[in-house]
Amino acid sequence: QKEVEQNSGPLSVPEGAIASLNCTYSDRGSQSFFWYRQYSGKSPELIMFIYSNGDKEDGRFTAQLNKASQYVSLLIRDSQPSDSATYLCAVNFLYNTDKLIFGTGTRLQVFP
Amino acid sequence: GAGVSQSPSNKVTEKGKDVELRCDPISGHTALYWYRQSLGQGLEFLIYFQGNSAPDKSGLPSDRFSAERTGGSVSTLTIQRTQQEDSAVYLCASSPRTRGYNEQFFGPGTRLTVL
Repeated sequence: QKEVEQNSGPLSVPEGAIASLNCTYSDRGSQSFFWYRQYSGKSPELIMFIYSNGDKEDGRFTAQLNKASQYVSLLIRDSQPSDSATYLCAVNFLYNTDKLIFGTGTRLQVFP
Repeated sequence: GAGVSQSPSNKVTEKGKDVELRCDPISGHTALYWYRQSLGQGLEFLIYFQGNSAPDKSGLPSDRFSAERTGGSVSTLTIQRTQQEDSAVYLCASSPRTRGYNEQFFGPGTRLTVL
């Protein structure tokens, strides 16, 4: 089992729809969770992070965390073609808080 | 403020040559990370610095790879006797490690091509 798992996609959604990106992780004791966006040919950019169970909203983005089920998701409302990118989930595992463990990413395509 | 910077942005070298890649973290960030990303692949962790110390070198692929950090700031990743399989984008990230959290901010990367 991979430590951080994401569906590679591509996830295709029409412009204006809600895109839902999911991530599961293996370490039940993990405390902090991060979502990065990576455009093709660019470096990862931190979108948002979440530490507590529940939802955290930032503009069109909402991160949802469920520690009991060991998953974290990212919702993008009113998706735009400019949101087309690979989204990386990263987790700070309890056994090694010095590192982030990255998933391999989900490619999102938003079509007009 | 200024983000993480890396130089050079592109490096083309011949097999067997040594290369040095530089990373300048965000001012005040105590933690610094090196990753490698091959085309279409995920991030591969290489090494982590806290201050000038490297508590975790577990990701370095071979003894041809080494890194140092001086003054708690700039870091250099050195690859000796480069091989074609070393071709990748090398990414540096820094983190303030405040409150025990570990949000990392990435530089633009160095694209290394070994001919």
